[in-house]
Amino acid sequence: DQQVKQNSPSLSVQEGRISILNCDYTNSMFDYFLWYKKYPAEGPTFLISISSIKDKNEDGRFTVFLNKSAKHLSLHIVPSQPGDSAVYFCAASVTGANSKLTFGKGITLSVRP
Amino acid sequence: SQTIHQWPATLVQPVGSPLSLECTVEGTSNPNLYWYRQAAGRGLQLLFYSIGIDQISSEVPQNLSASRPQDRQFILSSKKLLLSDSGFYLCAWSVITGELFFGEGSRLTVL
Repeated sequence: DQQVKQNSPSLSVQEGRISILNCDYTNSMFDYFLWYKKYPAEGPTFLISISSIKDKNEDGRFTVFLNKSAKHLSLHIVPSQPGDSAVYFCAASVTGANSKLTFGKGITLSVRP
Repeated sequence: SQTIHQWPATLVQPVGSPLSLECTVEGTSNPNLYWYRQAAGRGLQLLFYSIGIDQISSEVPQNLSASRPQDRQFILSSKKLLLSDSGFYLCAWSVITGELFFGEGSRLTVL
């Protein structure tokens, strides 16, 4: 049973436009959500996170939105840049669970120049 | 600052051979340590996590084992590799709930 789902395997956007990456989860116990970015042959790097007490968190070009009732979160990147091309993983955890993260399968974002 | 290293970066092994992947963390004490695997077409799957020396929890039954002989050292092993063990293995550490920092990864190909 996949508790964190990233149903779209890939996304292609034009440079300068907005990228919207979606993520759904099924476990209502999750209360902390993160996005990681991964380049080929490298480990993932932390991008942005959001606690369940918030519905939005912004960091520069990156904004994460959380809709708890829909068990849905999204990552917005605006404006998108070619260097944003990577695999993006959505992850979720339960506070106090030893930082164990449950990851989605990832979305491959391609930003066209 | 904290750093995490894992090696080897790339490994090609025959079926039935042993495996040892090492991971060390510097610049922090008593971190939580994790081994994840990314198999082709799949997400990051948690294999093992450790909250202290010789304290290992396994998340999924498999052909692999983990050990933590020192506070900042985490080792992933297998006595006999299977084809299905191929994948990209990632070590990670954490001291703050919910945020992980990953190593560079080790690409294992079992032939």
